[in-house]
Amino acid sequence: GEDVEQSLFLSVREGDSSVINCTYTDSSSTYLYWYKQEPGAGLQLLTYIFSNMDMKQDQRLTVLLNKKDKHLSLRIADTQTGDSAIYFCAEPSGAGSYQLTFGKGTKLSVIP
Amino acid sequence: DAGITQSPRHKVTETGTPVTLRCHQTENHRYMYWYRQDPGHGLRLIHYSYGVKDTDKGEVSDGYSVSRSKTEDFLLTLESATSSQTSVYFCAISEPGRGSGTGELFFGEGSRLTVL
Repeated sequence: GEDVEQSLFLSVREGDSSVINCTYTDSSSTYLYWYKQEPGAGLQLLTYIFSNMDMKQDQRLTVLLNKKDKHLSLRIADTQTGDSAIYFCAEPSGAGSYQLTFGKGTKLSVIP
Repeated sequence: DAGITQSPRHKVTETGTPVTLRCHQTENHRYMYWYRQDPGHGLRLIHYSYGVKDTDKGEVSDGYSVSRSKTEDFLLTLESATSSQTSVYFCAISEPGRGSGTGELFFGEGSRLTVL
């Protein structure tokens, strides 16, 4: 089957912007999610975007959605060492489903 | 934080032994899930539950069984553990309308299982 695709690694310098990209599979997905996993912990919802939106901004986070290309991105402005984590893109697994399909995760490393 | 407790948090066992992981929630969420996390594979759904005694298979269910006799508990059993089941297992819960209202999943802290 099709997968939610993400690049596996990203390295940025502290203070720079980070952009994590994701390609999802289902054009009918109502919401798309970004989860953050810190070392040794479970995943936590970082942000989400409704499918009828092109952009959502929340403090240092900007989510961009291109439905035509099924492309989702997460931009973190002024990246800090505390942003070092694995970031997962996720979409609902099917119509009416409460399951989520996750990408493999992008490990963000922030260089001081 | 969502009230989700996984036990044990760490376990080392030998091939062929049975293993049960427990997920306990205090949030009264209807849906519960077991995922496994492996390098290069991300998170993959093993089994999920949509109510007491209502469960279904996920993407990687072979070698695993689940049970949910109470709303708050969801058990994952490896009847005869194999080395390929060495992984970090995450329990998650969800309830329509809770949290962000989008059907988001809330995750436990994970259970690290090593099968020798």
